[in-house]
Amino acid sequence: QKEVEQNSGPLSVPEGAIASLNCTYSDRGSQSFFWYRQYSGKSPELIMFIYSNGDKEDGRFTAQLNKASQYVSLLIRDSQPSDSATYLCAVKRGNNRLAFGKGNQVVVIP
Amino acid sequence: GAGVSQSPRYKVAKRGQDVALRCDPISGHVSLFWYQQALGQGPEFLTYFQNEAQLDKSGLPSDRFFAERPEGSVSTLKIQRTQQEDSAVYLCASSPGYNQPQHFGDGTRLSIL
Repeated sequence: QKEVEQNSGPLSVPEGAIASLNCTYSDRGSQSFFWYRQYSGKSPELIMFIYSNGDKEDGRFTAQLNKASQYVSLLIRDSQPSDSATYLCAVKRGNNRLAFGKGNQVVVIP
Repeated sequence: GAGVSQSPRYKVAKRGQDVALRCDPISGHVSLFWYQQALGQGPEFLTYFQNEAQLDKSGLPSDRFFAERPEGSVSTLKIQRTQQEDSAVYLCASSPGYNQPQHFGDGTRLSIL
């Protein structure tokens, strides 16, 4: 079992709609969770982090964490063409390293 | 600079050659990480430094991979006797300290012919 799973294929959403991304993790003891956005050929850019169960909102982004079910999700409201990118879910593991999922590509259609 | 700087951005080498990849972290950042990202995959952890101390090298795929950070700032990832499977993007990240978010450089795209 992989440490972090992002199983959905590419996600196409119309401009202005909500994009929803999900991620599950294997280690129940994990405490810190991150969402990175990566444009093609560019570095991963941190957009959200969450440590506590529940929702955390930052602008158009909302991260949701459910430790009992071992999943973390990202909602993007009012999707814009500039949101088209790959979104990487990451979980902090021992010695501060990040374990990443393989990423989900989001395409926002104008 | 304002962000993590990596050089070169692109490196092409013949199989069997040695390569060296450089990372200049954000000024003052204590923690430095190297990751390897294959096409279509998420980054995979290679190694971690706190200042000049290499605290975790469990992700290095073989003894051909070596990393150093002698003065606790700039880091170099060296790959000896490169193989085709070493072709990937090598990402460097830094953070102000333990348990702080990591900030990534743009990476070095390594192609082994």
